[in-house]
Amino acid sequence: ELKVEQNPLFLSMQEGKNYTIYCNYSTTSDRLYWYRQDPGKSLESLFVLLSNGAVKQEGRLMASLDTKARLSTLHITAAVHDLSATYFCAVDGQAGGTSYGKLTFGQGTILTVHP
Amino acid sequence: DGGITQSPKYLFRKEGQNVTLSCEQNLNHDAMYWYRQDPGQGLRLIYYSQIVNDFQKGDIAEGYSVSREKKESFPLTVTSAQKNPTAFYLCASSPSPHYEQYFGPGTRLTVT
Repeated sequence: ELKVEQNPLFLSMQEGKNYTIYCNYSTTSDRLYWYRQDPGKSLESLFVLLSNGAVKQEGRLMASLDTKARLSTLHITAAVHDLSATYFCAVDGQAGGTSYGKLTFGQGTILTVHP
Repeated sequence: DGGITQSPKYLFRKEGQNVTLSCEQNLNHDAMYWYRQDPGQGLRLIYYSQIVNDFQKGDIAEGYSVSREKKESFPLTVTSAQKNPTAFYLCASSPSPHYEQYFGPGTRLTVT
């Protein structure tokens, strides 16, 4: 059974600081997704990571994937208040197969950025 | 406007009643998914469908049923057999299972 663990689960940051959220998973996979969720809202896709060593950046967020270590990171640079939200990683459990789409989500990291 | 719609946004039901949640997409996506989210937790997969007239159980299918008679529609029925149905339900779709999933706005179901 695929398990996905994020840490930390709660992150309180000062504006302007840097931090990293970690996503570990338990079985082989070569597809990992990061999503953002604002309170009471749906999920917004942030990054799609499809191979070992993949790195994607958008604004103050950068995501990477190390399939050998079964680890993805979401790095936040110079945080601003607008980044306050819950961030989820999701792993596709069908590594190298012909059938994808069965995602297992981490518990989510609640990020609060304050002045 | 292309997108995924879920209705209603809020739904209240009495225990013992079946209830059907609607999910429609006009993105011409082949694959559709239903997830459940409980407070402070991640999403858990209930059912998914990769093509019309075919669907598979996800991790927590007990007490739920689905149909996929049309490409654009994937309704979820929460039956009275679901022991704790109160939750936020999210529908998603993707062009194929190989692509990222796009989420609808969700339906918040409360059963008392």
